[in-house]
Order: sequence, then C-alpha cells, then structure tokens
Amino acid sequence: QAGLTQPPSVSKDLGQTATLTCTGNSNNVGDQGAVWLQQLQGHPPKLLSSRNDERPSGMSERFSASRSGNTASLTITGLQPEDEADYYCSAWDSSLGNQVFGGGTKLTVL
Amino acid sequence: QVQLQESGPGLVKPSETLSLTCTVSGGYISSSAYYWGWIRQPPGKGLEWIGSVYYTGTLFYNPSLKSRVIISVDMSKNQFSLKLNSVTAADTAVYYCTRVWDYWGQGTLVTVSS
Repeated sequence: QAGLTQPPSVSKDLGQTATLTCTGNSNNVGDQGAVWLQQLQGHPPKLLSSRNDERPSGMSERFSASRSGNTASLTITGLQPEDEADYYCSAWDSSLGNQVFGGGTKLTVL
Repeated sequence: QVQLQESGPGLVKPSETLSLTCTVSGGYISSSAYYWGWIRQPPGKGLEWIGSVYYTGTLFYNPSLKSRVIISVDMSKNQFSLKLNSVTAADTAVYYCTRVWDYWGQGTLVTVSS
C-alpha cells in the first residue's frame, strides 16, 4: 500500500516535457522532501534527485525536481525513448517512522 | 565506484527464514555518514522499504515488517545482512540492497514456495 500518491501512467510525445507528481502530507514530502528514482525494465532503481532536489553527479540536466508544499514534482524535458521507465518517489515519514514510496508512474514516450 | 552485490538463496520455504547478504566494495560501510538499506519489489509491483542501518549501527525498520526483520552489519567483511522470518508467498520479491539511495545492487529474486 503506497504512502505517497503518484499517477499510474503518463504518456507524452518524443521531445515534449513531462511533469510527474508525487503527493504526500506535512509529515513526509512537506517536511523531508522526496527522492526520485527511475527504474528501467529489469533493472534496479537509479537515483535521479535527492530529497533536497539535487541531481547526482553526471545526471542529465533534462531531469529536474522541485517541491511545493506537500507535492514533489519531477520534470523531464526533451523526452527521449530511453526515458520510458517507471518513476518512483519516496520520502521519510516522521509520523509513521517509515520510508514511504509512491506507487510509481509508468512514463510512455510516444 | 561503490558496488553492492546481494547474495543468498533464491528459494525459501513458507514459515522459514529468508537470509540475504549485501557485500559492499569500493567503499566502507563504517567510514562515512551513509545509510545502507534493503528494499524489495514483488513481481510487477512497486518498491517497499524494509529497513536501513546508519554507519553508526543505528537501525530503522519498516513498522509493518519490524516484528519479522533483523538487519545486521559485519564491518570486518564490509557486509550488511537481512533476515526475514516466518515468510509467506507475499514475501516473494526482488530484494535490493542500496547505499540509500545512490548506489544499488542488481537485486536478487527470492521466491517463497514449498
């Protein structure tokens, strides 16, 4: 059972911009921020953004994260076929004492 | 470059204990302020946090699994381990170890079946 809410699927055309959302509450996203992970089919997750919205070294500038209140967002510009993946957000929930995940968003690049 | 590798049985019988080890290379568990964790993913489903250990040895567990989980660290071998007891089919999943969250193992599928 997911603690954070993500849309199950998003479809965008090649070259367009996709914005994925992750909604929590004041005990998790609103308090601690969220990390974003990309998971290609059959692969382990890969960190896209840390909870302070910073990209890991070497990560493409096409990926950017932000937060407004209890909602975190991941924006992917200039969509490429290789961006087709599942995207997960996760945050520490200080009330539950639990690292909660969103259910994941499947991004399709048309 | 930090690398993590999970190891352990791929098949566990119901009611028995699942045991996995994560071997870390290219860095030391004890040497810097990182969390080291276990995450699992049932086939076709999303990610679930099992628990983490801080480099100081402080442990954090998913409350829903806490009664069945033990995470331990062997600094001398640069490994950390997961034990999950009283397993059922619902524990069938790919289990990942991670240096939360920047480095990941490839994952290992553990199937619970008689």
